[in-house]
Amino acid sequence: NAGVTQTPKFQVLKTGQSMTLQCAQDMNHEYMSWYRQDPGMGLRLIHYSVGAGITDQGEVPNGYNVSRSTTEDFPLRLELAAPSQTSVYFCASSMVGGNYGYTFGSGTRLTVV
Amino acid sequence: GQQLNQSPQSMFIQEGEDVSMNCTSSSIFNTWLWYKQDPGEGPVLLIALYKAGELTSNGRLTAQFGITRKDSFLNISASIPSDVGIYFCAGQGQGGSQGNLIFGKGTKLSVKP
Repeated sequence: NAGVTQTPKFQVLKTGQSMTLQCAQDMNHEYMSWYRQDPGMGLRLIHYSVGAGITDQGEVPNGYNVSRSTTEDFPLRLELAAPSQTSVYFCASSMVGGNYGYTFGSGTRLTVV
Repeated sequence: GQQLNQSPQSMFIQEGEDVSMNCTSSSIFNTWLWYKQDPGEGPVLLIALYKAGELTSNGRLTAQFGITRKDSFLNISASIPSDVGIYFCAGQGQGGSQGNLIFGKGTKLSVKP
């Protein structure tokens, strides 16, 4: 049972480049979300999804796009990377409701130069 | 929006000492969760609290759901070097989007052997 798998673990992008951060879970969780973690800022919600075909914005959605075509996968797309998007990104999943707590992936450390 | 104030921001303690940290909010929360993040990893759930006044233990860790539903406390007894990491509180409030958790900014714990 792999839990939540994020790839890649590290990435360096040039300003203006685009890329997709991958997230997959094998726990049949309906709820999936993306957070970014910056020093002193804690975890801030970017986008979330309560099921396949349903996505919504979180606290800091600008510059990011998501899609949820399957229950298992929830990729995060950066279309025009900017230095302000340098951060550590975490994907999380749970049963709907979040009361049971999220399971987090191990993160993707992204640097935009 | 809802916010969690977590304190202290950081702690430097001697091995064997007890540790206390807390989270407060101006809003009522229905669920409180405590996570630990090891360096280079995603947060891992330590304790979940679902009822006001609830006191729950997990080994040397004890957490309480405040009676006002606006705060929560985490205590670690007899700290050891592997307790080092960042501890996050998280809550799910009334009226929040399905499944979304609000995270505190974290307490960074350092333990001197």
